[in-house]
Amino acid sequence: GESVGLHLPTLSVQEGDNSIINCAYSNSASDYFIWYKQESGKGPQFIIDIRSNMDKRQGQRVTVLLNKTVKHLSLQIAATQPGDSAVYFCAENIYNQGGKLIFGQGTELSVKP
Amino acid sequence: DAGVIQSPRHEVTEMGQEVTLRCKPISGHNSLFWYRQTMMRGLELLIYFNNNVPIDDSGMPEDRFSAKMPNASFSTLKIQPSEPRDSAVYFCASSFSRAEQYFGPGTRLTVT
Repeated sequence: GESVGLHLPTLSVQEGDNSIINCAYSNSASDYFIWYKQESGKGPQFIIDIRSNMDKRQGQRVTVLLNKTVKHLSLQIAATQPGDSAVYFCAENIYNQGGKLIFGQGTELSVKP
Repeated sequence: DAGVIQSPRHEVTEMGQEVTLRCKPISGHNSLFWYRQTMMRGLELLIYFNNNVPIDDSGMPEDRFSAKMPNASFSTLKIQPSEPRDSAVYFCASSFSRAEQYFGPGTRLTVT
């Protein structure tokens, strides 16, 4: 039979617009969260992280928001550029499981020039 | 800093052959992770080491897979015998304690 791959959520935005990528995490014991960017043919690349004692953290053009009440994480990219086109993964770390990360399925961001 | 180094970058082998993937973590990092990525299953953690000791190998698919870390600067992932369903991109990542993981470029494995 024909194999079926993961159907990644896709977000398509116009260059210059802001992008918001959402992620629901699974474990209420998770206390550290990371966003990764993966371009085609490359390994995931660290973008930004946040610990559970914060609800917002800003980087260069990126902001991560954490809502522990509903176990939700979001990544906001300001002034999205064609080079931002990639698959974005959120990952959670559970406080008593060492450095092990649990990755979400990913969201594909497509930026139209 | 050279980042995480993986070799080979591409490997094509026939079913039944032994495959060895290699990883050099970032100097000073004390945790090393092996992942597999496929379209079907996404990014899966296979095994991770802390201070060269395997901590969690629950993601290793079966006995055909084994991983070693003989010292802080080198790790191998071996598949023996390989099967077509092992075709995937295998990533190695390293980190220092509970911090962000840095990924290597991956090894694309094709088993025919």
